[in-house]
Amino acid sequence: DAGITQSPRHKVTETGTPVTLRCHQTENHRYMYWYRQDPGHGLRLIHYSYGVKDTDKGEVSDGYSVSRSKTEDFLLTLESATSSQTSVYFCATHRGAGNTIYFGEGSWLTVV
Amino acid sequence: DQQVKQNSPSLSVQEGRISILNCDYTNSMFDYFLWYKKYPAEGPTFLISISSIKDKNEDGRFTVFLNKSAKHLSLHIVPSQPGDSAVYFCAAQEGKLIFGQGTELSVKP
Repeated sequence: DAGITQSPRHKVTETGTPVTLRCHQTENHRYMYWYRQDPGHGLRLIHYSYGVKDTDKGEVSDGYSVSRSKTEDFLLTLESATSSQTSVYFCATHRGAGNTIYFGEGSWLTVV
Repeated sequence: DQQVKQNSPSLSVQEGRISILNCDYTNSMFDYFLWYKKYPAEGPTFLISISSIKDKNEDGRFTVFLNKSAKHLSLHIVPSQPGDSAVYFCAAQEGKLIFGQGTELSVKP
């Protein structure tokens, strides 16, 4: 357990509204990730960060942006939520290559 | 293009028997491979990993085999227990971590 806290854990929002999910970690891990989990697709990488202010796109980054202004926080923003972004979102962190990657408990987002 | 694939969405095994979960990958630059277990409404939890320079890693009932020439890895669970019923994800790492689609394992008493 790497002390990962995701907030909010559950959210229902309307199409077109902005949404921000927060991931907070207490282990000073360098790497942080945002994934989404959907049936039949497994866990797909949205964006990741390899340090403060250092981020890169994953395989499903369209419609999402991220920011990392502090080591402990990684924010995922949906600028204008769509129904296709209804999903479970998981944050993950690790210290570096070969080190165990820890996941948060997930954020359930429903866009209506 | 999916770099990590788990072609079996589900697997059912009798308690006490061996469970074999398979995973294929396309990128020969991956340097670590990992298996995660996931229960409903929880985040994935780390199970076992293997470096690309090894071909086997064992931890209790769990063994991971890596065949680099075939770009294939497998997870063996022996003996299988009902508590092992979960979704299993394989993942490959080259900097970022890429997951397969998952295999739902059901172990029947």
